[in-house]
Amino acid sequence: NAGVTQTPKFQVLKTGQSMTLQCAQDMNHNSMYWYRQDPGMGLRLIYYSASEGTTDKGEVPNGYNVSRLNKREFSLRLESAAPSQTSVYFCASSEVTPGGQFFGPGTRLTVL
Amino acid sequence: QKEVEQNSGPLSVPEGAIASLNCTYSDRGSQSFFWYRQYSGKSPELIMFIYSNGDKEDGRFTAQLNKASQYVSLLIRDSQPSDSATYLCAVNTPDKLIFGTGTRLQVFP
Repeated sequence: NAGVTQTPKFQVLKTGQSMTLQCAQDMNHNSMYWYRQDPGMGLRLIYYSASEGTTDKGEVPNGYNVSRLNKREFSLRLESAAPSQTSVYFCASSEVTPGGQFFGPGTRLTVL
Repeated sequence: QKEVEQNSGPLSVPEGAIASLNCTYSDRGSQSFFWYRQYSGKSPELIMFIYSNGDKEDGRFTAQLNKASQYVSLLIRDSQPSDSATYLCAVNTPDKLIFGTGTRLQVFP
């Protein structure tokens, strides 16, 4: 089992560009999450999906959109990237909400 | 007041000693508590969870919970240099986990 996978691992964008971060899990988990981690700020929840077909805002949703494509996949989209979105992005999943969560390897995003 | 507080450290302990990592939380309704280990440049890894007051042991790790004092701790016995990492405490709300900013542990030979 691969667990939680994320693509890409690294990305550099220019201000105003858009991109989608992909996440997939093979643990048959119901709930999936997107976090960002910044120095001194800890992990902050962007959006989560408690179950297939539902999504909800977390602590810092502005500038992001999500899609729960199916039970396995949960994507995060930046429509118009800003330098403040430079961060490390982690996807996580758990059997139930909130539950013990298992994290993907992360995407390191730089917005110039 | 932050919802989940941890001392940022670094906490430096010699190899073979007991490392004690502490976490306090503000929501008295929280029922589930998790400890994650995060190596530099890597993702958080779930190492312990505890739901009931008291101690829970798993190998060299012991999680301790005191709901009356709103306090959860992680003890690492026989600390090894490979335990050097940042340890994140996470506490549940009804629909999400709130993470502390983590304590950096350094185990020196």
